[in-house]
Amino acid sequence: GDSVTQMEGPVTLSEEAFLTINCTYTATGYPSLFWYVQYPGEGLQLLLKATKADDKGSNKGFEATYRKETTSFHLEKGSVQVSDSAVYFCALSGLNFGNEKLTFGTGTRLTIIP
Amino acid sequence: NAGVTQTPKFQVLKTGQSMTLQCAQDMNHNSMYWYRQDPGMGLRLIYYSASEGTTDKGEVPNGYNVSRLNKREFSLRLESAAPSQTSVYFCASSDPNTGELFFGEGSRLTVL
Repeated sequence: GDSVTQMEGPVTLSEEAFLTINCTYTATGYPSLFWYVQYPGEGLQLLLKATKADDKGSNKGFEATYRKETTSFHLEKGSVQVSDSAVYFCALSGLNFGNEKLTFGTGTRLTIIP
Repeated sequence: NAGVTQTPKFQVLKTGQSMTLQCAQDMNHNSMYWYRQDPGMGLRLIYYSASEGTTDKGEVPNGYNVSRLNKREFSLRLESAAPSQTSVYFCASSDPNTGELFFGEGSRLTVL
């Protein structure tokens, strides 16, 4: 079945550092890929997504590129801020667009220190 | 600007008690979901509903029942709570045009 393997945390970085959170997946066909973010005490919210190979999703300075050859969707940001402290989840969707039974990774807790 | 609303936000139960988690969305989405979040395990799908009147099991349905009361509401019921059901529960709905899931704020359940 489908699965997502995500870089284990927690990750602690200094403000303005470069961030990479690794995500690889196993799936049949060509799934859509997502990064969700969960701020303390809140539900998850979509950070970015990519629906086909070589697509790059971007939002709030974060980027991730759908790499079919390496089955990866790594999250990057050039200069992190304290406000980026959160838990980040990589996820993929099944084949039925509009019926998004997402498979999630285990989440990576990111803490940014001033 | 409500989106997905879940109640209650916190609940403590004793083993064997029953309760229902309520969820409502105001975005006119057809598909709705219940997930549980446990440390080190990410989110796991309990049940989902592709449309009013239909429900299907997800990855971890044992010990739960659901009702899709109408297009807006999707409830999750624990008939006889067990300590293994201590978790944070999230309701979500999905936008069929973008594939985006919209989540509620979560319900933290503790079973003693």
